[in-house]
Amino acid sequence: SAVISQKPSRDICQRGTSLTIQCQVDSQVTMMFWYRQQPGQSLTLIATANQGSEATYESGFVIDKFPISRPNLTFSTLTVSNMSPEDSSIYLCSGGGLAGAVNEQFFGPGTRLTVL
Amino acid sequence: AQSVAQPEDQVNVAEGNPLTVKCTYSVSGNPYLFWYVQYPNRGLQFLLKYITGDNLVKGSYGFEAEFNKSQTSFHLKKPSALVSDSALYFCAVRDFSRGRRALTFGSGTRLQVQP
Repeated sequence: SAVISQKPSRDICQRGTSLTIQCQVDSQVTMMFWYRQQPGQSLTLIATANQGSEATYESGFVIDKFPISRPNLTFSTLTVSNMSPEDSSIYLCSGGGLAGAVNEQFFGPGTRLTVL
Repeated sequence: AQSVAQPEDQVNVAEGNPLTVKCTYSVSGNPYLFWYVQYPNRGLQFLLKYITGDNLVKGSYGFEAEFNKSQTSFHLKKPSALVSDSALYFCAVRDFSRGRRALTFGSGTRLQVQP
């Protein structure tokens, strides 16, 4: 399996500011994803982070609001830009395509964001 | 698009009794199905998957799931529930539409095991 860490684990931010969340995987994974989850609710896919190219965003999510970087096979960042209280949520990083566990997808512990 | 449905928001079971958490799927082609568990303030943990092969899949912590093609179901089961099994459970399907490889999740079922 892969171990995924995220920083920060939680943050409280002011409206209009931006926060960058870092995701580190302890193994090389071919796929990385970012999800959003309201506490106790289901997960919604924000985007697929593509190494060396622009991320692929899901309907309702745009690059200007959620810029994503993925410089290599073990690291990605998600920025939540110009935040509003509606962005308060848990943001989860996920990796998959690990050698020996090709079809499994592993998740980080999440970043709990509160926007005031 | 591929999707899964979890019809129960919450399942209550007494410790020692068998438990079932329901999931039905809607996919075109062969489904890649998964179960995850989420404990409070923690990320998702992988329990088991069905890709192909035996319809009964065994996973972590004594859980198993039965793939039923005719009923398009993939219910999670455990013969004897523990209080420590109380958590939020998600069924998921790998979505290959539009070139995606990500998982699409059900709405989740909260399992409460009473001592």
